[in-house]
Amino acid sequence: GAVVSQHPSRVICKSGTSVKIECRSLDFQATTMFWYRQFPKQSLMLMATSNEGSKATYEQGVEKDKFLINHASLTLSTLTVTSAHPEDSSFYICSARENKHPYEQYFGPGTRLTVT
Amino acid sequence: GEDVEQSLFLSVREGDSSVINCTYTDSSSTYLYWYKQEPGAGLQLLTYIFSNMDMKQDQRLTVLLNKKDKHLSLRIADTQTGDSAIYFCAALGNQGGKLIFGQGTELSVKP
Repeated sequence: GAVVSQHPSRVICKSGTSVKIECRSLDFQATTMFWYRQFPKQSLMLMATSNEGSKATYEQGVEKDKFLINHASLTLSTLTVTSAHPEDSSFYICSARENKHPYEQYFGPGTRLTVT
Repeated sequence: GEDVEQSLFLSVREGDSSVINCTYTDSSSTYLYWYKQEPGAGLQLLTYIFSNMDMKQDQRLTVLLNKKDKHLSLRIADTQTGDSAIYFCAALGNQGGKLIFGQGTELSVKP
């Protein structure tokens, strides 16, 4: 149980295009999901907290117009990187907090984004 | 705000015990976690401990919490080569359920 999936696992896109990454909780409901970014050999940097049915809360320094987050259901949150640039290339990881066990947070396998 | 610190590297021999240490600054952290990350993968929740506990054991894993010193450790008994990975310590902050992560400890297990 407590599985989180992400799609796609890898994506390559051209500068200026937009990319959507999906995060799904497969066997539990998650009112709250989180989006992180991870650079090589570094820890996770929280980008935003995604709440079902309401606007996401972004961390300081994260552009909300560039990283669009939608949490349309209790099992799905999406992150859209708009007008991507090479500096947006990174490993993006989502996590989901299980409603029944709010102190447990499960992570997806990550999405490797490369912008050329 | 909360700060979580870990040593960056640990190398052990197969069959030995590994001890990964972590310190945190916010004494109000209610839950503390250990996650494992293998190359190119997401984070796997290994275990977590509530702040009113001193110890938690789960098969080969033992978590010790010294709340007075704000020190958390993860002991892996009989370490195997498959345990080679990066281990992240995390503390549950008091703002919206955010996890505050340490830098990660790279565990290398030599045969």
